[in-house]
Amino acid sequence: QQQVKQSPQSLIVQKGGIPIINCAYENTAFDYFPWYQQFPGKGPALLIAIRPDVSEKKEGRFTISFNKSAKQFSLHIMDSQPGDSATYFCAARENTDKLIFGTGTRLQVFP
Amino acid sequence: DAGVIQSPRHEVTEMGQEVTLRCKPISGHNSLFWYRQTMMRGLELLIYFNNNVPIDDSGMPEDRFSAKMPNASFSTLKIQPSEPRDSAVYFCASLRTGGLAEAFFGQGTRLTVV
Repeated sequence: QQQVKQSPQSLIVQKGGIPIINCAYENTAFDYFPWYQQFPGKGPALLIAIRPDVSEKKEGRFTISFNKSAKQFSLHIMDSQPGDSATYFCAARENTDKLIFGTGTRLQVFP
Repeated sequence: DAGVIQSPRHEVTEMGQEVTLRCKPISGHNSLFWYRQTMMRGLELLIYFNNNVPIDDSGMPEDRFSAKMPNASFSTLKIQPSEPRDSAVYFCASLRTGGLAEAFFGQGTRLTVV
């Protein structure tokens, strides 16, 4: 049972494009929604995170949009660069430290 | 701090053999997680420790898998006997409990069971 559903599985954009990755959840006990970025051969690393009482958070070129009523959140990457090519995971945390991850989106940004 | 340290980085073993993966969390972190990553299922949480105590092991696939955390600076994940379907990348992560704590991941152990 996948508690956090992520789409698409893969995404290809050209440099300067705006890839969007979507996630949905069911468990209303989740209280924190981070995104992790993973490069080949490395472990995931925290990119940006949001709490459910906020509808949008922006850090540099990365923006999270959060729709609490729909139980959905998404990551937007503005002016994408080839260096953004990586696998992106959305995650959700229960009111403990337990982090549940989506299945990941492999992003490729071509010059 | 050197970050979360996992060993070995790569492990190739024959079906039926015992495999032990090791993790040293970041000093001062009191929660530790073991995840398994595959293309099909993404990052699956296997087990989660808090203050060295297993809190949730509902993700451990079956009795062949076991995990221990004898002290705050060391954890192991053991598979006995190993099977080809256990082939995956296994990650350990740690965090310091409280607030919007960030989980730090190790570099992972790529396990291949032939």
